[in-house]
Amino acid sequence: NAGVTQTPKFQVLKTGQSMTLQCAQDMNHEYMSWYRQDPGMGLRLIHYSVGAGITDQGEVPNGYNVSRSTTEDFPLRLLSAAPSQTSVYFCASRRTVNTGELFFGEGSRLTVL
Amino acid sequence: GQQVMQIPQYQHVQEGEDFTTYCNSSTTLSNIQWYKQRPGGHPVFLIQLVKSGEVKKQKRLTFQFGEAKKNSSLHITATQTTDVGTYFCAEVKRGSSNTGKLIFGQGTTLQVKP
Repeated sequence: NAGVTQTPKFQVLKTGQSMTLQCAQDMNHEYMSWYRQDPGMGLRLIHYSVGAGITDQGEVPNGYNVSRSTTEDFPLRLLSAAPSQTSVYFCASRRTVNTGELFFGEGSRLTVL
Repeated sequence: GQQVMQIPQYQHVQEGEDFTTYCNSSTTLSNIQWYKQRPGGHPVFLIQLVKSGEVKKQKRLTFQFGEAKKNSSLHITATQTTDVGTYFCAEVKRGSSNTGKLIFGQGTTLQVKP
């Protein structure tokens, strides 16, 4: 099993550009989520999904869209990148909705100029 | 904003000293999890606590869940340089159990001087 795979690992964008961070897991996990990590702020939940076709907002959803058309994939879209979205993004999944450990991808470092 | 408070934010210890980080919530928790993130890495699950007053040990690490299920602690005995990293608690609040939303504390970054 590859676990949770995120791409790209690094990306530089200009303000106003759009892009998609990809996340895929091959563990048949129900629950998937996206976090951003900024110095001193810990991990903040952006969006999450409890199954294919179901998504919901986390703590900091503005400026981001997600979809969950399959169990395996949970892409994060930045519609119009802003410098405030410069961060490290982590995708994480777990087998069940309510409990169990989160498995994290290796992260995607995004810089918005 | 952040709903679980973690203290301290940073801790520098001499190798061999003990270390403790605390996680406090204003509401009762369904369960609490702890993660470790090495510098430049991604968070890795350490443990989950579910029962009131629960204490679990992993070698030199001791995890505790408060009797009221509003706080938790991670204690490392005799730190080693391999313990360097950021330790996060993460909570699932009561009432959120059907959404699985996991909220993280700000983390405690541990530096160990050899």
